This record gives sequence, C-alpha cells and structure tokens, in this order.
Amino acid sequence: GESVGLHLPTLSVQEGDNSIINCAYSNSASDYFIWYKQESGKGPQFIIDIRSNMDKRQGQRVTVLLNKTVKHLSLQIAATQPGDSAVYFCAESGGTNDYKLSFGAGTTVTVRA
Amino acid sequence: ETGVTQSPTHLIKTRGQQVTLRCSSQSGHNTVSWYQQALGQGPQFIFQYYREEENGRGNFPPRFSGLQFPNYSSELNVNALELDDSALYLCASSLGSRGNTIYFGEGSWLTVV
Repeated sequence: GESVGLHLPTLSVQEGDNSIINCAYSNSASDYFIWYKQESGKGPQFIIDIRSNMDKRQGQRVTVLLNKTVKHLSLQIAATQPGDSAVYFCAESGGTNDYKLSFGAGTTVTVRA
Repeated sequence: ETGVTQSPTHLIKTRGQQVTLRCSSQSGHNTVSWYQQALGQGPQFIFQYYREEENGRGNFPPRFSGLQFPNYSSELNVNALELDDSALYLCASSLGSRGNTIYFGEGSWLTVV
C-alpha cells in the first residue's frame, strides 16, 4: 500500500543554521505534496506545497525539493529560528486517492539557542 | 489563522457514549475533510465531504459518520465510543475536492475514559 515516511524522527539544529527535513513516499501516482508544521497542542499549519510538474519551489525562508525519480521530498529551512521548533509532516495525494492526504509520522525539530 | 474553526476544543466522554464535533470551513471553501491524529502519529484520513455529499472515506468503521451543511460547515459523529478513539480530531477545508491546498483547524481533543 501507499506510505509516506520521514527519514529521521528527530532533528536538532543550532539556531541560525539551515535545516533539512527529508521524506520518502512510495505511491508513484502521487502528484501533489505538502509540508505542514505542527506546534504542540495545535493543528497542522500549511508551510509550502509542490506539484509533480515542478522539482523545486521556494517560499519565505523555506524551499521544497521534489525528486520523482527516487520518490523523495525535502524541506529546507534557512536560518532556523527558535519558533521553527515543531513537528514537521510531509503529506501527499494523487492517483485514485487524490481527494485525501496521506501523512508520514513526522520529524520533531528542536532548535538549540 | 486558517479560518477553519472547530468546537469543542477539548472534551471527555465515557466509553459507549456518542460525540459530535463541529467545524466551520474557511470562507469560500466547499470541501471539508476530517482526520484523526493519535498521539505521536500523523493525521489519518477519516472522510471528506464535498457539496454536502461524502466524497471518499478512509479505513474507519461505520460508527464514524458525518454531515456537511449548505453553508459547508460540517459535523463528525462517533457512536459507541471506544478507548482507542481518544485522539485529536482535525477538520480541514479546501476549495474543491482534489489537488488544492488544504487548511486545518486547531482540532478537537477527545478523551474517552
């Protein structure tokens, strides 16, 4: 079955450094990918999305890279700040299940001062 | 703020009882999806409502049911509550049922004792 997973469950980053969070997916029919940030006790917050006709998309301090050949997605956060501490989820949709998002288990990012 | 509002924010129910959770979608969004998030896990898709009709369903038993109203707000009903139903229930809204950005509310924390 389809699955979306993150490579590492936790990531500790020094404030000011860049963060890279990785995600692998298995559904080759997936054509839409989203990164969410979830702070403790809150709902997932949209960060950035990318469609399969692109391999890179940039937002404010964030960049998402998509490698469809190896079914890999990454989120890069520039100049990581304490407010970036949260759980990050990648999610995908596409194919016959394009009405729903499938989430991985999440990566917990901790920013060290 | 995503414009997706959920109520109640927290509630405690006894095993065997029934619960109704409510969601108001972001203005202009005609699609509402519900997700269940157990502690330490990613959200799991329950079902989606598009223009007042169920448009897709995840692997949840029939005691999980829903409604969408003409104003696109929605309810999630769970009958015969079980201890494992304890989770964060997230409502998400989007414009259209496929391939558009999905915005989440802050969720309703349900504890079943």
